[in-house]
Amino acid sequence: SQQGEEDPQALSIQEGENATMNCSYKTSINNLQWYRQNSGRGLVHLILIRSNEREKHSGRLRVTLDTSKKSSSLLITASRAADTASYFCAPDAYQKVTFGTGTKLQVIP
Amino acid sequence: EAQVTQNPRYLITVTGKKLTVTCSQNMNHEYMSWYRQDPGLGLRQIYYSMNVEVTDKGDVPEGYKVSRKEKRNFPLILESPSPNQTSLYFCASSLSLQGGRELFFGEGSRLTVL
Repeated sequence: SQQGEEDPQALSIQEGENATMNCSYKTSINNLQWYRQNSGRGLVHLILIRSNEREKHSGRLRVTLDTSKKSSSLLITASRAADTASYFCAPDAYQKVTFGTGTKLQVIP
Repeated sequence: EAQVTQNPRYLITVTGKKLTVTCSQNMNHEYMSWYRQDPGLGLRQIYYSMNVEVTDKGDVPEGYKVSRKEKRNFPLILESPSPNQTSLYFCASSLSLQGGRELFFGEGSRLTVL
């Protein structure tokens, strides 16, 4: 299984601060995706980074990928209360996209 | 509007009473998948389908069946539900997994088996 493991499990920060979440996985991948889940709702795709990319930006999101360490990080800059959610990485090899337990982010206004 | 629709959203049932959770997508996606989400265990894949008439087991297929007779529909069948199948279920679809296409998720179906 390509299941990613997110770290930390939970993160609490003040509004305006940056939030960093990490993801580790076990085997070679083609791509790695990050998703967000508001409490009890369906996951929403945030950003995809391909195995030949090292860094990618989308608005306030910055994703890095280190294939040699089999790890990725998601940085949310200038966090807002609306960013409160769980965040999942999804390493993608072939046919199966699997998820870990996520990082639960709380942004305090 | 592009969406993945699951029904029912909430269901309480009893052990052994067969039930079906429907999933339909209107995006002409080839790939569809079912996940269950449990506290502390994250999302675990139950079954997936690469295209019509092609289905495969995920990580936790026991106690579930699926079918993919039409491209848009991917029902999840619990032939004889048991309390350990109490969970939050998500259906997801993607144009194709090749090239890293994103998954679109339904809003979830919360199932309680008494």
